[in-house]
Amino acid sequence: AQKVTQAQTEISVVEKEDVTLDCVYETRDTTYYLFWYKQPPSGELVFLIRRNSFDEQNEISGRYSWNFQKSTSSFNFTITASQVVDSAVYFCALNTNAGKSTFGDGTTLTVKP
Amino acid sequence: KAGVTQTPRYLIKTRGQQVTLSCSPISGHRSVSWYQQTPGQGLQFLFEYFSETQRNKGNFPGRFSGRQFSNSRSEMNVSTLELGDSALYLCASSFRFWQGSTGELFFGEGSRLTVL
Repeated sequence: AQKVTQAQTEISVVEKEDVTLDCVYETRDTTYYLFWYKQPPSGELVFLIRRNSFDEQNEISGRYSWNFQKSTSSFNFTITASQVVDSAVYFCALNTNAGKSTFGDGTTLTVKP
Repeated sequence: KAGVTQTPRYLIKTRGQQVTLSCSPISGHRSVSWYQQTPGQGLQFLFEYFSETQRNKGNFPGRFSGRQFSNSRSEMNVSTLELGDSALYLCASSFRFWQGSTGELFFGEGSRLTVL
């Protein structure tokens, strides 16, 4: 069975602070994909990034960066110099079957001005 | 490129009624999956349809059903509504792995169902 754990339920930071969202996953499959999605108040989940189980290269995209460590089954997401517009619920997800993704419970990020 | 479209966006029903929600996927996407989102249970997978056939199913009672049409549009139905069915129902479309997908889902804005 697949499982995704986001231990942080809510995080509140002040604008320009850096913030890291944690994600730990469990799967017995050797081939899998990990994702981060952002859900703003409008409700629509927006895909942010994907990593496959064979690619542990970390990535930086603007203010966003991702750290994938297979040894600890973690896929953490960092926002540098946070902005108010980053306020949203962030979900980590695991996919081993294209038709079904397992989501964590989400982390609500509030960035205060 | 048009996104995933869900209708209706909001609806209110009473216990015992039934409801049908509609989802039009991104053009070219043949996989449509449904998720239920509630404050207490998070995002729960309902089912996935591909080529008009249900391919995956989550742990929901038989009151929850769905179907997919030849144009990939999908509907889900909930019969005999209960108070606990109040939730945001999200539809997502995607390609499948053999079509080159790497599993990312493209979501609609959801249908928010309130059961009174």
